[in-house]
Amino acid sequence: DAGVIQSPRHEVTEMGQEVTLRCKPISGHNSLFWYRQTMMRGLELLIYFNNNVPIDDSGMPEDRFSAKMPNASFSTLKIQPSEPRDSAVYFCASSLSYLSGNTIYFGEGSWLTVV
Amino acid sequence: DQQVKQNSPSLSVQEGRISILNCDYTNSMFDYFLWYKKYPAEGPTFLISISSIKDKNEDGRFTVFLNKSAKHLSLHIVPSQPGDSAVYFCAASPSNDYKLSFGAGTTVTVRA
Repeated sequence: DAGVIQSPRHEVTEMGQEVTLRCKPISGHNSLFWYRQTMMRGLELLIYFNNNVPIDDSGMPEDRFSAKMPNASFSTLKIQPSEPRDSAVYFCASSLSYLSGNTIYFGEGSWLTVV
Repeated sequence: DQQVKQNSPSLSVQEGRISILNCDYTNSMFDYFLWYKKYPAEGPTFLISISSIKDKNEDGRFTVFLNKSAKHLSLHIVPSQPGDSAVYFCAASPSNDYKLSFGAGTTVTVRA
C-alpha cells in the first residue's frame, strides 16, 4: 500500500526564492494535515483540510505561507518568499477523518534548508 | 505553551530490558492519546493509542498506561530490541478534534 507521498525529499534554496512542497495523501483519506518540525518548537500543525477544504489555518506562521488542495489526491504548501528561519522538516499527513481516534499517517517529510 | 510534555529527552537501555517513556499533559479536555515512533529521515509512524475510557492498552511488546487523575501516560517496551532505537513522540487530542498536540520527543537508544 502506498503511504503519504511527499516531494521533494530535500530542498536547498536561497532566501527570497519561492518554495513549493507537494503531497499525495493515502487514497480514500478525507483529511490532510501539514506539520512542521523544528528543534525549537517540535511538531506543530500548520493547516488542516477536510474533503479538500481548508478548515483551520491558524498554525500557518505568516502570510508568506499558503496551502492548497485542488483535489482529493494532491496538496501543496508554498512559501514565498522563503527565509532562513523557514528551514525545517515539513510533514504531510492524512487520515480517514478528522475525528479523534482516527490514526494520522505521516509522509517521510520534506527537508527544507533556506540559505 | 506545551500542552504535552516529555521531560526526558533521551533514554538509554540495554537490550532485553524494559524501556519506560513518560508523558504528561495539561489539557483536561484531552481524551485520546497516541505514541508515534520516528526513525531518522523518516516520518513519524503510529505505534499505539489509548482512549480515556481505558487505563491500559497492550500491543505485543508495547503497553501504554494512562493515569487520568495525574494527567500522565507512559509507554512500556518489553523486551527492548535494537530496532526500537528511535525518537518516540507522545500526542494527545480532545474528542472529536483533529488537533493533535505533540510532545518534544524522547530519543531511545537500545544498547546491545
